[in-house]
Amino acid sequence: GAGVSQSPSNKVTEKGKDVELRCDPISGHTALYWYRQSLGQGLEFLIYFQGNSAPDKSGLPSDRFSAERTGGSVSTLTIQRTQQEDSAVYLCASSLQTSGGIYEQYFGPGTRLTVT
Amino acid sequence: KNEVEQSPQNLTAQEGEFITINCSYSVGISALHWLQQHPGGGIVSLFMLSSGKKKHGRLIATINIQEKHSSLHITASHPRDSAVYICAALYNTDKLIFGTGTRLQVFP
Repeated sequence: GAGVSQSPSNKVTEKGKDVELRCDPISGHTALYWYRQSLGQGLEFLIYFQGNSAPDKSGLPSDRFSAERTGGSVSTLTIQRTQQEDSAVYLCASSLQTSGGIYEQYFGPGTRLTVT
Repeated sequence: KNEVEQSPQNLTAQEGEFITINCSYSVGISALHWLQQHPGGGIVSLFMLSSGKKKHGRLIATINIQEKHSSLHITASHPRDSAVYICAALYNTDKLIFGTGTRLQVFP
């Protein structure tokens, strides 16, 4: 079956512009995660959604970052007034379920964001 | 504080060598992932384990809960194994905490 997909694969934007990054999780996966990998840095958690529960936003670096998940499926990560330090690869992952069990996370190919 | 440490940061090997990458974590975890990232490529999950040992082809992952330590072994390494290997710990909050990665280069 289809894996996690993300779009666009690459995005170049000017400083100060808003961007939207999209993630399509694996069908049936109730948990969805956003991570960021900055150049020369490790991966860091941004936000996760689990079913209809309130999302865990504890990893979002500033209030310029927000995310939503519509209909329990597709998710959009929005970065407002982009800054150069936002340049990174943004990765989405999904898993079958997290409550009451431990399930493997499957990663998308990522969106490489470059802020000029 | 939840932390994940990996070693070594960089590793070079000759084709055919046995490779070990180590990962240690600070407090109790639910599970540990080993991930592989090829240059310019996406991330692939190799293993998720919470106890014991798992094997897939030439890859073996072990975890020692008491010692809070996991290892990834590659037997009969091959140039196509060249990648960054990342361990990630799953804590109670259900989000992964990542190690800094080990960059492996295998030369023919």
